[in-house]
Amino acid sequence: AQSVTQLDSHVSVSEGTPVLLRCNYSSSYSPSLFWYVQHPNKGLQLLLKYTSAATLVKGINGFEAEFKKSETSFHLTKPSAHMSDAAEYFCVVTPISGGYNKLIFGAGTRLAVHP
Amino acid sequence: NAGVTQTPKFQVLKTGQSMTLQCAQDMNHEYMSWYRQDPGMGLRLIHYSVGAGITDQGEVPNGYNVSRSTTEDFPLRLLSAAPSQTSVYFCAATSQGEPEAFFGQGTRLTVV
Repeated sequence: AQSVTQLDSHVSVSEGTPVLLRCNYSSSYSPSLFWYVQHPNKGLQLLLKYTSAATLVKGINGFEAEFKKSETSFHLTKPSAHMSDAAEYFCVVTPISGGYNKLIFGAGTRLAVHP
Repeated sequence: NAGVTQTPKFQVLKTGQSMTLQCAQDMNHEYMSWYRQDPGMGLRLIHYSVGAGITDQGEVPNGYNVSRSTTEDFPLRLLSAAPSQTSVYFCAATSQGEPEAFFGQGTRLTVV
């Protein structure tokens, strides 16, 4: 069975400071891992993905994440927060085998960015 | 380049009414899925399809039906709406071998 735990439901940072959104996963199979972002009243946009290649993954808008198998973690980071980063972020897991049609979502982390 | 299109964007139903949420994709992706989003619970898989004529249940299938007669369309039917089905519904399309899921803009459904 697979599951995802996002360790913080809310994170608040000041503009220009680093962002860390934490995600732990559980998977019986070699997983693919993703981070999606959802801005208010919008759909979901893919930030970045890990699919068994490089463990440090770079995404859009300066975000990156590191796959750590020993810690079963896939934390999302950004060196310097921008006001436009305020949104809800979802960590997602799916097995590499069997296609990518069954995504398991974490509960989400709402990021607030203050001036 | 439409991607995944969901209609309607908003809907209010009375308890016991039926309706169909529409989802269409123009990317020729094999897989399509329906999720519901509830506060504090992320998105949960309702039903999915791996191709025309093939559907299966996800984590929360009760109260919903689906069919997949074409690659492009994957409607979600509520036969008898209940207040517990008040949620935001997202349709997604993915392709075997390509891990990015493309989501529609969502349908906000309220059952009163």
